[in-house]
Amino acid sequence: AQSVTQPDIHITVSEGASLELRCNYSYGATPYLFWYVQSPGQGLQLLLKYFSGDTLVQGIKGFEAEFKRSQSSFNLRKPSVHWSDAAEYFCAVGAPEYGNKLVFGAGTILRVKS
Amino acid sequence: DTAVSQTPKYLVTQMGNDKSIKCEQNLGHDTMYWYKQDSKKFLKIMFSYNNKELIINETVPNRFSPKSPDKAHLNLHINSLELGDSAVYFCASSQAIAGGETQYFGPGTRLLVL
Repeated sequence: AQSVTQPDIHITVSEGASLELRCNYSYGATPYLFWYVQSPGQGLQLLLKYFSGDTLVQGIKGFEAEFKRSQSSFNLRKPSVHWSDAAEYFCAVGAPEYGNKLVFGAGTILRVKS
Repeated sequence: DTAVSQTPKYLVTQMGNDKSIKCEQNLGHDTMYWYKQDSKKFLKIMFSYNNKELIINETVPNRFSPKSPDKAHLNLHINSLELGDSAVYFCASSQAIAGGETQYFGPGTRLLVL
């Protein structure tokens, strides 16, 4: 079965600084990979996803993520963080043989300081 | 014009009671899901339905019973509520059950069992 690890529980960055949130997965083949964002008291919104093709994926709100098979990683990046990016970010992994069942990481809370 | 809606938004109840949470999606999707997010924000799938058919049934106590009257609705009934059932329950939907399909989440139902 697939699994996903987000090593950082909290990350604090200054507004305007760059951001990288880490995600590592465990799965034997190429998985489906997702990043979702959850603002306080809200549901989850998809930022971007990868399932084949170009390993650098562009998403909404200026986010991008890169799939690195050799490192089993799918890190989320943003070149310049805005205060409105403060939220919790979840990486999720799916596998073809499990239909559309997603396994989520524990999440990373992003704090943005002005 | 909410895509995935849940009612109620908040639910406070006593141990031993029976309660239901309703979910509706107006996206025309075939597949719907229930997730549980615990106090540590860990998000885990409980059930999924595709065209009213149960597809995913994780190791959830049989006190939890999903029901899909039609493709646009997926309800969750919980019998004999326990303290450990306190969590945020998210409904989601996707176009199909195939892997890689984007799941769209509702705003969540915050259940507190006293």
